[in-house]
Amino acid sequence: QKEVEQNSGPLSVPEGAIASLNCTYSDRGSQSFFWYRQYSGKSPELIMSIYSNGDKEDGRFTAQLNKASQYVSLLIRDSQPSDSATYLCAAFGGATNKLIFGTGTLLAVQP
Amino acid sequence: GAVVSQHPSRVICKSGTSVKIECRSLDFQATTMFWYRQFPKQSLMLMATSNEGSKATYEQGVEKDKFLINHASLTLSTLTVTSAHPEDSSFYICSVSGTNEKLFFGSGTQLSVL
Repeated sequence: QKEVEQNSGPLSVPEGAIASLNCTYSDRGSQSFFWYRQYSGKSPELIMSIYSNGDKEDGRFTAQLNKASQYVSLLIRDSQPSDSATYLCAAFGGATNKLIFGTGTLLAVQP
Repeated sequence: GAVVSQHPSRVICKSGTSVKIECRSLDFQATTMFWYRQFPKQSLMLMATSNEGSKATYEQGVEKDKFLINHASLTLSTLTVTSAHPEDSSFYICSVSGTNEKLFFGSGTQLSVL
């Protein structure tokens, strides 16, 4: 079982729609969770962090964390073609005390 | 967040040569930096943790004699890929840890070994 799992996609949504990206993690001791955006050929860029259960909103982005279900999600409202990228979920803490990345979900926003 | 500069952005070299990649923390002193490697369509894999003034800590399966890390100052860490081979071709990215375990990445180095 992978420590951080994501559906590789591609997830295709029309412009203006809500994109929903999901992630599960295996280590219950994980404490901090992050979403990174990575454009092709570029390095990852931090877009959201979340540390406690519930929702956290920042502009068009909402991160959701459910520690009981070991589930993290990212919602992107009013999706734009410029949001087309790979979104990496990462979890920190637990047994490894390191930041572990998922393989990423490719999002394609269709104009 | 932290500003991290990484050079070069792209390098092509012949098999058997060595390549040095520099990572600089521009806006704060970083006692710890991290080096990741990413193969196409795969996730980031931590190679090693670079510690200022001491030896780097390598992840299991990463050859310390092949991937030399030097962290001589609080703002600079270097990764040298020695005797590079085609299988070392990858995207190498350094990062710095900010507050609350947030990682900030350099722009990455695409290494192609012919």
